[in-house]
Order: sequence, then structure tokens, then C-alpha cells
Amino acid sequence: DQQVKQNSPSLSVQEGRISILNCDYTNSMFDYFLWYKKYPAEGPTFLISISSIKDKNEDGRFTVFLNKSAKHLSLHIVPSQPGDSAVYFCAASVRASGSRLTFGEGTQLTVNP
Amino acid sequence: DAGITQSPRHKVTETGTPVTLRCHQTENHRYMYWYRQDPGHGLRLIHYSYGVKDTDKGEVSDGYSVSRSKTEDFLLTLESATSSQTSVYFCAISAIRTRNTGELFFGEGSRLTVL
Repeated sequence: DQQVKQNSPSLSVQEGRISILNCDYTNSMFDYFLWYKKYPAEGPTFLISISSIKDKNEDGRFTVFLNKSAKHLSLHIVPSQPGDSAVYFCAASVRASGSRLTFGEGTQLTVNP
Repeated sequence: DAGITQSPRHKVTETGTPVTLRCHQTENHRYMYWYRQDPGHGLRLIHYSYGVKDTDKGEVSDGYSVSRSKTEDFLLTLESATSSQTSVYFCAISAIRTRNTGELFFGEGSRLTVL
């Protein structure tokens, strides 16, 4: 039972344009959501997060949107840069259970110069 | 960068042999985790630790055991490796202040191939 799903295995965008990565979840107990970025041969690194009490969180070029009624979140990257090319993982947690994250399958983002 | 070191970084072994992966941290963080990454599955939690000698199972714990005798070291053992355990294994740590938000710091991974 995949509780966190990223339905797009890959996404390709042009440099300077917007990248939108999507994530859906099924467990209504999740109350904290995170995005991680992963380069080849490296471990994932934390990118941005959002609490379920918010619907938007912004950090520079990165914005995460949360739609609780649809159980959907998205990561917007504007403008996209070639260095953003990486695998992006969506993750969710139930705060009461501590840092036991449930991850999605990942989306490979390629930003073309 | 969080001080997390995984060893070995690469290992090839044969079915039925025991394998131990080591995670060493220099951050003195209480919480440590082992995940595996497989295509189509993302990262899945194997085991985690919330203190010395305190460990618990994650979602894919069958075939794995862990030990934590010191704060800085978290060992993952495959008692008898199988081909289905071919994967990339990541260790992660979290601080108490970020424990309830889920922010983890990951090591660089250990690639295990079981022939």
C-alpha cells in the first residue's frame, strides 16, 4: 500500500521555466510534508517542508503547496536551473510518530539549458 | 553538512553470506535510521533507533537486524543475504528539535549487490 505517490517518474523542462512536481497521499493522519532532492551517488538532502496547518511555504525559488482536501502537494521551482536536475522525493510524516518518514517513488527532473 | 559516514560504500557478496553495514555519526544525534532505496519504491524504512540499545522495526524489516551499542554507531546486519536485498542503503540521523518535523540528514549511501 503506497501511502505517498509520485505518479510522474520523470519531468523535463527548459531552463528559466517553471518546474512543477506533484505528490499525492492517502493517509489523512500525515501532518508534515517534506521534499528532498537527490543527486546521483549522494544521499538525499532536505529541500523544503510544510505543516498541515499551512497551504503554502516558500523558500527562494522553491514553493510547496498543500491541498489537504485533495491530499495533494506540489513543489514549484521558478525559475528552473540546470543545477536543479536531480531526483525529487516527496515525504510525509505523522508528527506523533517522530521522524518516521514515508517517501514517494521519486521524480527525475531534468532542466535543459 | 551533518557528519555521517557509511561503510562500506560498495559491496558485492554472494547469496547466503552475512553482511554488516556501518553508520557512524559525529553529531551526537539521538535518532538514527536505515532506509533502502529501490527503483519504483523510493526510500523505505528498515529499522530505526531512538537511543543506545533502543531500536524498532520499520516497514521492511524482514531479513535485517540492527544494533546500537554507542550513540555514534548504528549497524545494519543481513544475517543471510538474498538477491532481493540488492539495493542502496542509506543511513539517516535527526536531532531532537527536528524529530517531530521529520527532517533527516542522510549519509552518502552503501550500494550492496547480492549475487
